[in-house]
Amino acid sequence: AQSVTQPDIHITVSEGASLELRCNYSYGATPYLFWYVQSPGQGLQLLLKYFSGDTLVQGIKGFEAEFKRSQSSFNLRKPSVHWSDAAEYFCAVGARSGYSTLTFGKGTMLLVSP
Amino acid sequence: DADVTQTPRNRITKTGKRIMLECSQTKGHDRMYWYRQDPGLGLRLIYYSFDVKDINKGEISDGYSVSRQAQAKFSLSLESAIPNQTALYFCATSGSFRVEQFFGPGTRLTVL
Repeated sequence: AQSVTQPDIHITVSEGASLELRCNYSYGATPYLFWYVQSPGQGLQLLLKYFSGDTLVQGIKGFEAEFKRSQSSFNLRKPSVHWSDAAEYFCAVGARSGYSTLTFGKGTMLLVSP
Repeated sequence: DADVTQTPRNRITKTGKRIMLECSQTKGHDRMYWYRQDPGLGLRLIYYSFDVKDINKGEISDGYSVSRQAQAKFSLSLESAIPNQTALYFCATSGSFRVEQFFGPGTRLTVL
């Protein structure tokens, strides 16, 4: 069975500083990987996804993530955080099967300080 | 207009009442999902449906039932609501043989 660990429950970053949110997964092969963002009172929006190919993937709102097979990780990064990035971020993993569902991590809440 | 809509957006009910949460989508997707979100627990899958005639239990289906009335509609029912079903409920959709999911805005359910 697949699983996802997001080690940090909360992270506080100063506006303008860089950001890295950690995600580790457990799966027997290379999975599909996703990052979603949930702003207060909103549903989940897809930030980016990894299916295959280049291990550094670009997403919306200036986010990127890097797939590292050797570390079973898919960390989310942004070079300069804006106050509007304050939200909860979820990493998700799905099997390479036509009948797969997604397994979500428990989320990391990002707080942005002035 | 939103591609995935959920009604109601907020609901307060009492223990023992029957509640139905509805989800509709205009994305033309075959697959639909129901999740609940609790603080610190992330999203947990309740039920999912890969097409109109297919219903599957997820991780936490006890106390819930679903109905797939049409390709575009997927309803979640709580036959006899209890306080620990107080949560934020999300509907999601995905295309055939696709894993990437698209989410509705959520329904906040409070059971007193």
